[in-house]
Amino acid sequence: RKEVEQDPGPFNVPEGATVAFNCTYSNSASQSFFWYRQDCRKEPKLLMSVYSSGNEDGRFTAQLNRASQYISLLIRDSKLSDSATYLCVVIVVAGTASKLTFGTGTRLQVTL
Amino acid sequence: NAGVTQTPKFRVLKTGQSMTLLCAQDMNHEYMYWYRQDPGMGLRLIHYSVGEGTTAKGEVPDGYNVSRLKKQNFLLGLESAAPSQTSVYFCASSYSLGSISYEQYFGPGTRLTVT
Repeated sequence: RKEVEQDPGPFNVPEGATVAFNCTYSNSASQSFFWYRQDCRKEPKLLMSVYSSGNEDGRFTAQLNRASQYISLLIRDSKLSDSATYLCVVIVVAGTASKLTFGTGTRLQVTL
Repeated sequence: NAGVTQTPKFRVLKTGQSMTLLCAQDMNHEYMYWYRQDPGMGLRLIHYSVGEGTTAKGEVPDGYNVSRLKKQNFLLGLESAAPSQTSVYFCASSYSLGSISYEQYFGPGTRLTVT
């Protein structure tokens, strides 16, 4: 089983729709979680951190389910500009031996 | 404030040739990383550095060497390029790997083709 798994998609949704992605992780010692956004042929950029209590940033909501070992990203009122690949990142914190693992990404295509 | 820069942006090598990719950051970050990104594989960590003069192996270090002689620079070397090293290479930096407020800042990438 991969350490971090994502559905590659693509998720094709109309503008204005709500869409959700999940990211599962296998290491129960994982402590930090993030969502990054990567546009085609560009570098990844941090979208948001994922806190234990869940957190919201405008149209984006991130949640963590430790019991089932997954994080989720919900996008409400999708915009054309949301089209991108969304990467989840999971970190096992152990000082300088901390390990960071990226998921392979979920591609979102928002259409008119 | 340029953030993270990478040179070159594109390169084509013949099998067996060597080259060095340069990464520079102006954010005074302690941690720097080199990743490669291949279709369907996601970002994979090649090597990383937790400070000037230190380096460590990541997930896929074979065929690569790195050096961090100055805090702001992290070099990735390919001594004898192979077609399997055709990829997009990203450099990144951060203040800390273990912080809850951790964020990696990425460079624009280097597209390398080995023929």
